[in-house]
Parts: sequence; structure tokens; C-alpha cells
Amino acid sequence: GENVEQHPSTLSVQEGDSAVIKCTYSDSASNYFPWYKQELGKRPQLIIDIRSNVGEKKDQRIAVTLNKTAKHFSLHITETQPEDSAVYFCAASDDKIIFGKGTRLHILP
Amino acid sequence: GAVVSQHPSRVICKSGTSVKIECRSLDFQATTMFWYRQFPKKSLMLMATSNEGSKATYEQGVEKDKFLINHASLTLSTLTVTSAHPEDSSFYICSARTGNVNSPLHFGNGTRLTVT
Repeated sequence: GENVEQHPSTLSVQEGDSAVIKCTYSDSASNYFPWYKQELGKRPQLIIDIRSNVGEKKDQRIAVTLNKTAKHFSLHITETQPEDSAVYFCAASDDKIIFGKGTRLHILP
Repeated sequence: GAVVSQHPSRVICKSGTSVKIECRSLDFQATTMFWYRQFPKKSLMLMATSNEGSKATYEQGVEKDKFLINHASLTLSTLTVTSAHPEDSSFYICSARTGNVNSPLHFGNGTRLTVT
């Protein structure tokens, strides 16, 4: 089955700087890659997703890149703000959605 | 749109009892729902895929007789934790897709289960 690895597990970034989270997946059949943000005690919320026919997607300060050959994808957050502090999960899906272990992002004032 | 409602949000039960958690899609029909379990500061672990009108598909290592899933309608799936033990204490969260396999999951608010 699919296995998703996510790095780093914890990331501290100065406010205003960029944050990058990287994931790899194992199943070449996976063709949908969403990213979720989870704040403490709340449900995960979709922040951006990318499908396998696209290499890059951007939505304001958030961008995701996908390299299907290498089976890795990344989340980029620019101009980070305090409200970006949360846990971020990448995921890969062919049918079921399998999550990475998460990255706890701290935005430092 | 795409609201998933999950109840209860918190439940405390005694060892040996059973607990039922409901997951409803409020404004869309969901032929498939997914049940995840999340330990503190850990990732979302897929437990099973709930299919309307048929048996659930369980992930490896998840006991189907312990975690009973019923998907009786296009808007309701239930997870029953049977004969609960303290190690079943966890955060259980359901989710559903509005579209095909390449569409995002929408999550319920989750249920915090504590077994004493």
C-alpha cells in the first residue's frame, strides 16, 4: 500500500520568512496530493491540493510542487504569519487518502 | 457547502461498554466515508473505508469485530467501538468526499473517546 513520508516533523520559521515542507510517496498509482492544516483541537482543513497532471499550483502565499518521477511533493508558504502556526499534513491518494506524519510549524515573532 | 457533522464530540465510557459515533454528510451524499484515528500529536491513521450499502474495508491491523462500521444511507456512517478498553482512548475522526477519488476529504469535528 501507499506510504507517505513527511519532513521535517517540526519547523520553526521567523515571521515573514518562507517555510517548506517536503513529502515523498511510494505508490506510483497515486494521482492526488492534498495538504491539510490542523490547528489544536480542530479538524484538518484542506489548504491546497494538486493532481498528477500538474507540476505546480499556487494560491496566494501557498504553493505546492509535484515531481511524479521522483515521487515527491512540497508545500511552500511565503511571508509567514503567526496564524500559519499549526500542524500540516501532506497526503497521497489513488483511492484511499494516506497521510504523512505531520509537520508542526512554529512562526516566531 | 460540504459539511460533515460528527457526534458526539466527546465521550467518556467505562471499560467493557460500547460507544457509537455518528458521521453525517449534511449537504451532500457520500457513497464512501473514511474513518481515521489520531493519537496525541500524531498523524491521521486510516482505520477503514465505509461503503454505503456494503461492508466496510478495514486497514491492516484494525479489528473489524472491535470497530464496527455501518453505512446505512448516503448521508450516515457509524463507528461502534465495542467492548472498549483504555487503549481505545483516542481521537476518532470521519471524513467524506464530495466527488471522485481525486477530490478532497471533508472532515467531521472528531470525537474524543476516553475509556476509564
